[in-house]
Amino acid sequence: KAGVTQTPRYLIKTRGQQVTLSCSPISGHRSVSWYQQTPGQGLQFLFEYFSETQRNKGNFPGRFSGRQFSNSRSEMNVSTLELGDSALYLCASSEEGSSPLPLHFGNGTRLTVT
Amino acid sequence: ELKVEQNPLFLSMQEGKNYTIYCNYSTTSDRLYWYRQDPGKSLESLFVLLSNGAVKQEGRLMASLDTKARLSTLHITAAVHDLSATYFCAVALRADKLIFGTGTRLQVFP
Repeated sequence: KAGVTQTPRYLIKTRGQQVTLSCSPISGHRSVSWYQQTPGQGLQFLFEYFSETQRNKGNFPGRFSGRQFSNSRSEMNVSTLELGDSALYLCASSEEGSSPLPLHFGNGTRLTVT
Repeated sequence: ELKVEQNPLFLSMQEGKNYTIYCNYSTTSDRLYWYRQDPGKSLESLFVLLSNGAVKQEGRLMASLDTKARLSTLHITAAVHDLSATYFCAVALRADKLIFGTGTRLQVFP
């Protein structure tokens, strides 16, 4: 089985722009969650989607949004980029959410905001 | 709000030695995960611990869970250089919302 695929791998944007990141989960996985990793704040939960519905949301401003499609693929969008949004964004998938099985993480998208 | 504390933050150890990484969390949860991250890479799942007293072992790594103490440990036996990485514990708050610890950066030297 193919793993979790995130595109693009690297992205450079300017302050004020917006960006869309994509995540394709493992085939058969219906839960997709997003995490932000920075040296200062560590790994922080952004949101989780299951069957096209957002089930959980972290403590991030409304500039961060996401969605999930009927094929379980997910996108996250960040509008009005700030320098502090520079981070590694990781997507993870699991079969159902609340599963005793591990979440599988993609290789991430490294976003740099200048 | 759930807090997850890991210690130590940094661990430098000699090959062949044993050591333990600790993960304390502040509220009850039904799942605790351990992940490994190599520099510039993603997170690799090591263990999922579900119940009090759970113990899992893979190679030189052994993880345990004490839900009453809200404590998990990751024990390293006879460390080798290939174990050098950052190790994270993560506690499931609900569904797939994981709260991660700060990470322990492990360096194993000859």
